[in-house]
Amino acid sequence: DAKTTQPPSMDCAEGRAANLPCNHSTISGNEYVYWYRQIHSQGPQYIIHGLKNNETNEMASLIITEDRKSSTLILPHATLRDTAVYYCIVRLGNTGTASKLTFGTGTRLQVTL
Amino acid sequence: DGGITQSPKYLFRKEGQNVTLSCEQNLNHDAMYWYRQDPGQGLRLIYYSQIVNDFQKGDIAEGYSVSREKKESFPLTVTSAQKNPTAFYLCASRGTGGISGANVLTFGAGSRLTVL
Repeated sequence: DAKTTQPPSMDCAEGRAANLPCNHSTISGNEYVYWYRQIHSQGPQYIIHGLKNNETNEMASLIITEDRKSSTLILPHATLRDTAVYYCIVRLGNTGTASKLTFGTGTRLQVTL
Repeated sequence: DGGITQSPKYLFRKEGQNVTLSCEQNLNHDAMYWYRQDPGQGLRLIYYSQIVNDFQKGDIAEGYSVSREKKESFPLTVTSAQKNPTAFYLCASRGTGGISGANVLTFGAGSRLTVL
């Protein structure tokens, strides 16, 4: 699996856009980028994923660079409830047999008033 | 509502005792996973299972055991051989959802184990 690199922490003012970067320079052509978040003492929650096109859903937008070596998760109007650890992982879409999905340490986003 | 139920939410255990954490899902997912999380750390994979009666070791399987006798259930036993069992344990299952959705995990709320 391609390795990902994320900043350990970020701050964002409530109501502003939170832009969380992820580097995955060794990503292969058929690997997807997935984002999850974990609010304190809860299980992680899936947010969004993409291959090469930008994606948007009700939670966030995912911008993947043209060379696919990095991506940015955008929370357009951050609220205090978005304070969490955000994980970026890269993985093949079709994993076939059971696969080891590993999570790094992610980015701790603190949304402030 | 479909989801994953982990129990108990909090568990205390004396050293030398085995303890079993329950994980049940009604999502009809084939694959299930157990992760361990220590304070300020990411998730580390303990065991995973693709199908009933089959499971594989993850990165930190020593001191743990699992079974997969039913599709809905994937219990984790923390044995006395696990040297530092105090941690937050998370169970997850994986849907298919087409090729791109094959890695979308649904997590339970977690079980926090403390060894006294």
